[in-house]
Amino acid sequence: EDKVVQSPLSLVVHEGDTVTLNCSYEVTNFRSLLWYKQEKKAPTFLFMLTSSGIEKKSGRLSSILDKKELFSILNITATQTGDSAVYLCAVAPGGATNKLIFGTGTLLAVQP
Amino acid sequence: GAGVSQSPSNKVTEKGKDVELRCDPISGHTALYWYRQSLGQGLEFLIYFQGNSAPDKSGLPSDRFSAERTGGSVSTLTIQRTQQEDSAVYLCASSLDPAGGPIQYFGAGTRLSVL
Repeated sequence: EDKVVQSPLSLVVHEGDTVTLNCSYEVTNFRSLLWYKQEKKAPTFLFMLTSSGIEKKSGRLSSILDKKELFSILNITATQTGDSAVYLCAVAPGGATNKLIFGTGTLLAVQP
Repeated sequence: GAGVSQSPSNKVTEKGKDVELRCDPISGHTALYWYRQSLGQGLEFLIYFQGNSAPDKSGLPSDRFSAERTGGSVSTLTIQRTQQEDSAVYLCASSLDPAGGPIQYFGAGTRLSVL
């Protein structure tokens, strides 16, 4: 059965800290791995990773994929209170449907 | 529209009643998905529509759940004879043709509470 596992489940840090969120996966076919940020209800897209070892970066956020070890990390440097959210990792298996398989998410709380 | 629009944003219903949830995808997006997010859980795939093809209903949890997409745009998810375990946030997403990549854009969801 395809699955995505995220860790930690929750994390509390102070502004300015650096955090690393983890995502491991087991899927029969792999197309891409995606990260989303969910602040209230609507998950918003952050990154899509398809190839190993190529870092995607956007401001203070960055992510990398390891297809050999089947995991990805999302790094946030110099955290701000606005980074507080649930971060979701999802895998897009190959195939016609393109449904995403999601992990349960990591709840990040950034305290002032 | 500019983004995926869902209505209502909140729905409270009594056990046994039927509910309809609406999703209006991003203009030009041919693929539409419904997911369910229960408290403390990840998003669970329910159903997928692509153009005029037969939908992928493999994620629907029971025959009380159904969905349709009229004219290749707006979709309605219907839950008949609601149960308390149906309480969750129902999220809709749309994307370009799957050949264009798997990035899905989500609406704000409908929070369903079954009393």
